[in-house]
Amino acid sequence: GAVVSQHPSRVICKSGTSVKIECRSLDFQATTMFWYRQFPKQSLMLMATSNEGSKATYEQGVEKDKFLINHASLTLSTLTVTSAHPEDSSFYICSVSGGFDTQYFGPGTRLTVL
Amino acid sequence: AQKVTQAQTEISVVEKEDVTLDCVYETRDTTYYLFWYKQPPSGELVFLIRRNSFDEQNEISGRYSWNFQKSTSSFNFTITASQVVDSAVYFCALSEAYSGAGSYQLTFGKGTKLSVIP
Repeated sequence: GAVVSQHPSRVICKSGTSVKIECRSLDFQATTMFWYRQFPKQSLMLMATSNEGSKATYEQGVEKDKFLINHASLTLSTLTVTSAHPEDSSFYICSVSGGFDTQYFGPGTRLTVL
Repeated sequence: AQKVTQAQTEISVVEKEDVTLDCVYETRDTTYYLFWYKQPPSGELVFLIRRNSFDEQNEISGRYSWNFQKSTSSFNFTITASQVVDSAVYFCALSEAYSGAGSYQLTFGKGTKLSVIP
């Protein structure tokens, strides 16, 4: 399957700052990437679908102005949490579609907003 | 809309016991895919298996086996002779929606936390 990396793995920031999370497909050209968030002891919730060269598609209830997604190349998608607040603290995971139907996930980024 | 139900929130077994994780799904599509992923404490989701809706053959991979039954909309996962390293959260997932460029969105169940006690 596809190999996916995320950076950083952990980040702690102050309330009001912006945080950028990178998702890289290391061995596969990913036309589409997905961004999820996961709260403790809960399942993954899809935030948005990131398409290379076009605007991301956000799920209902996800603020596109707060969670900025850029998919500028076939190997890199970035998620920027703007003006982060403590309620944005979560585990953010990206995935790459490794074929027509299988998603391969990155190791995740744990964001803590103080 | 699609839905995945994992009724077992947490399961504890003693090492070497067999354990079955249940997954029931709902979908209106005739073509869909089912998945199992493992999430160890480190957090990374590990792909275990994909099954398409036209293939009802059961599959075995080492100590892992999967039972797909369309008649009951179930896709259960059995671990034989469980080991401590099997301790993780296991997610069942369904995809049916085409989101462009050959990619399908996943709907996850809530996960089952498996603890294997030595």
